[in-house]
Amino acid sequence: GENVEQHPSTLSVQEGDSAVIKCTYSDSASNYFPWYKQELGKGPQLIIDIRSNVGEKKDQRIAVTLNKTAKHFSLHITETQPEDSAVYFCAASLSGGGADGLTFGKGTHLIIQP
Amino acid sequence: KAGVTQTPRYLIKTRGQQVTLSCSPISGHRSVSWYQQTPGQGLQFLFEYFSETQRNKGNFPGRFSGRQFSNSRSEMNVSTLELGDSALYLCASSLGGTSSAGELFFGEGSRLTVL
Repeated sequence: GENVEQHPSTLSVQEGDSAVIKCTYSDSASNYFPWYKQELGKGPQLIIDIRSNVGEKKDQRIAVTLNKTAKHFSLHITETQPEDSAVYFCAASLSGGGADGLTFGKGTHLIIQP
Repeated sequence: KAGVTQTPRYLIKTRGQQVTLSCSPISGHRSVSWYQQTPGQGLQFLFEYFSETQRNKGNFPGRFSGRQFSNSRSEMNVSTLELGDSALYLCASSLGGTSSAGELFFGEGSRLTVL
């Protein structure tokens, strides 16, 4: 089955700096790669996703890049703010994550230092 | 509109007991998925239901089961509880219809503690 590795497990950055979280996956058939943000006591919330026919996607301060050949994808957050502090999860799926299920990375605890 | 609602939010059980967790999806969503979240194993897919049918299941023992009702509400059941079943159980809903289900919307979870 699919296996998703996520690094780093903890990332501390100064407010205003950029943060990068990286993930690799094992199943070349995977085509859908979402990123979720989980705040304390809450469920994961989708922040951005990308499909395999796209190499990069951007939404304001957040961007995701995908390299299908190397089987890795990354989350980039620019101009970090205190409210960006949370645990971030990458995931991979054959298609849309519903019936196929999502395989998650172990998460990255992002800490924004004031 | 209302999000995904899970009940109960917290519960404590003892080994050997069974537990039933409930999930009400977002109105109009027909697909409901369940995930187990633990510090050691992270987020793991349990199963997914669409139109009262289980379409897929993860690698969990048969003690874990679920069902979906005609109004898309779903329940999951864990029988003969073990200490290792202590976890946050998350329900997620999506429009469904095809395997390319789009965004999953997660509830806040039911935190189960097994003593």
